[in-house]
Amino acid sequence: DAGVTQSPTHLIKTRGQQVTLRCSPKSGHDTVSWYQQALGQGPQFIFQYYEEEERQRGNFPDRFSGHQFPNYSSELNVNALLLGDSALYLCASSSTPNYGYTFGSGTRLTVV
Amino acid sequence: RKEVEQDPGPFNVPEGATVAFNCTYSNSASQSFFWYRQDCRKEPKLLMSVYSSGNEDGRFTAQLNRASQYISLLIRDSKLSDSATYLCVVNGDNFNKFYFGSGTKLNVKP
Repeated sequence: DAGVTQSPTHLIKTRGQQVTLRCSPKSGHDTVSWYQQALGQGPQFIFQYYEEEERQRGNFPDRFSGHQFPNYSSELNVNALLLGDSALYLCASSSTPNYGYTFGSGTRLTVV
Repeated sequence: RKEVEQDPGPFNVPEGATVAFNCTYSNSASQSFFWYRQDCRKEPKLLMSVYSSGNEDGRFTAQLNRASQYISLLIRDSKLSDSATYLCVVNGDNFNKFYFGSGTKLNVKP
């Protein structure tokens, strides 16, 4: 049973560029959340998708957007990249949000 | 005030020791609580949920104190493999948003 899969694993982008990160949830999970984890910090909630809609959003600017597809997979898009966007981006899935999430191994984004 | 606060540590303990971490949360309406473990440069992994009555899983015991708004994690008979960062997670105003603490680093020494 595959867990949460994310791609790519590593990415280097230049300031001002746009990036798309992808996530496939664990089999049987329908809810996907995205988190940003800076070095030495805990993960920060970006947003959550359920039934192809953004259900909840954290304190992130509109440069961060997402999408969920009918097969429950999800994308995170970040426009106009800043140096401060360099972080580990984690996707987490669940079938029942309050029972804990399963995390993917993350995409490490470096903005130069 | 942060939604969730943890002592960053590090906690340096010898093998076999008992160690405890606390985590405070600010939203008295929070209903869901978890402890996650994160190894260096890896993703967080669910360690255990925290129930109102407290719960135990082998050497790990989690407790919730609603009156003082904190949760705790107790690790007995520490193993070298317990060395990791332990993240406290609490839900926000609804079950769709969870807040992570910055983590407490544990180093178990031989």
